Amino acid sequence: DAGVTQSPTHLIKTRGQHVTLRCSPISGHKSVSWYQQVLGQGPQFIFQYYEKEERGRGNFPDRFSARQFPNYSSELNVNALLLGDSALYLCASSGGQGNEKLFFGSGTQLSVL
Amino acid sequence: TQLLEQSPQFLSIQEGENLTVYCNSSSVFSSLQWYRQEPGEGPVLLVTVVTGGEVKKLKRLTFQFGDARKDSSLHITAAQPGDTGLYLCAGASKTSGSRLTFGEGTQLTVNP
Repeated sequence: DAGVTQSPTHLIKTRGQHVTLRCSPISGHKSVSWYQQVLGQGPQFIFQYYEKEERGRGNFPDRFSARQFPNYSSELNVNALLLGDSALYLCASSGGQGNEKLFFGSGTQLSVL
Repeated sequence: TQLLEQSPQFLSIQEGENLTVYCNSSSVFSSLQWYRQEPGEGPVLLVTVVTGGEVKKLKRLTFQFGDARKDSSLHITAAQPGDTGLYLCAGASKTSGSRLTFGEGTQLTVNP
């Protein structure tokens, strides 16, 4: 069975541009969470979606948005990119809303120049 | 705001040595998880501890949850080069769902 898949694996953008990152959860998993991991730090929570509804949002500006589709895949959108948005963006899936085990994808490495 | 502090931030040891990584917080967590992350990959869950005072063993790795559920430690016995990686602790509360609070990680290098 496929694990959590993220695309693209790497991305280079310039300041002010917009980016869309994609995530496909493990088959049967209904919850997707997004994390930002800046080099040298631990992941920081951005969003959680469950059954297409936002269930949690971290301390990120409104330039960050996300959505979940009927097939439980998800997109993370970032507008007006800043240099500080350069990071590894991780997607994690789990079965439901509780404290279940999270399965992380390999991430999308975003570089903003 | 819940914060988790990990120490040390960096650790470089020789094969066969023992080591301990610490994860501390002023907040109480309902559970605490330890992950290992390799370059270019996402974190992989090693263990979840739930009960205060709980000790779990995974081969040469021993995990302990503090009695007050505010701190945890990871002890590796006879480290091997394959143990090299970034070790992350992450706390969850009963109401946080999949929202984990991660520590900043401990970068472990085991030299042959």
